[in-house]
Amino acid sequence: GQNIDQPTEMTATEGAIVQINCTYQTSGFNGLFWYQQHAGEAPTFLSYNVLDGLEEKGRFSSFLSRSKGYSYLLLKELQMKDSASYLCAVKDSNYQLIWGAGTKLIIKP
Amino acid sequence: DVKVTQSSRYLVKRTGEKVFLECVQDMDHENMFWYRQDPGLGLRLIYFSYDVKMKEKGDIPEGYSVSREKKERFSLILESASTNQTSMYLCASSPLDGQGAYEQYFGPGTRLTVT
Repeated sequence: GQNIDQPTEMTATEGAIVQINCTYQTSGFNGLFWYQQHAGEAPTFLSYNVLDGLEEKGRFSSFLSRSKGYSYLLLKELQMKDSASYLCAVKDSNYQLIWGAGTKLIIKP
Repeated sequence: DVKVTQSSRYLVKRTGEKVFLECVQDMDHENMFWYRQDPGLGLRLIYFSYDVKMKEKGDIPEGYSVSREKKERFSLILESASTNQTSMYLCASSPLDGQGAYEQYFGPGTRLTVT
């Protein structure tokens, strides 16, 4: 079966760095997405990786290792507004998105 | 800016009622999707459509149907609402995706409660 695993909840301190991991087992791979979802709101796109390596976008970076079925989202200089759920999703061989359950990130002052 | 709108943010219906959830996108996207989101579970795909009048079943189509009469509008229908259909329903759209690179744009969601 297809499976995306990510931690249920993480806590970090304002100004610090946090890494949210995602491991996947899917039938085929056509890219990995990270989305941010604030409570009660719609998911919004953060990043896309299809090749191995690190993609940097401001305070957020996303890393992919296809051979290990592994990705992480790195958030630097954490701000209170970064408190949200972070969703990992993989496009399989049929170009359908398979979603993880999301990681709830709590930022403390 | 891509905009995806949904007809209601909150909806309360009774068991057995027929429920219509409407979604409209303004970016001329070919693909449209209906998901439900429940605590502790990832987004689960109910139905999707890649063209007008075309529809494909997702992972959990039972108890649902869809309609896409116009490119910009994708409707989700609960034929006879049941309490286990209480959930957050999210609509999304994306361009035609030949290489898998396009992200999906989501509407604000409809929180449906069936009593």
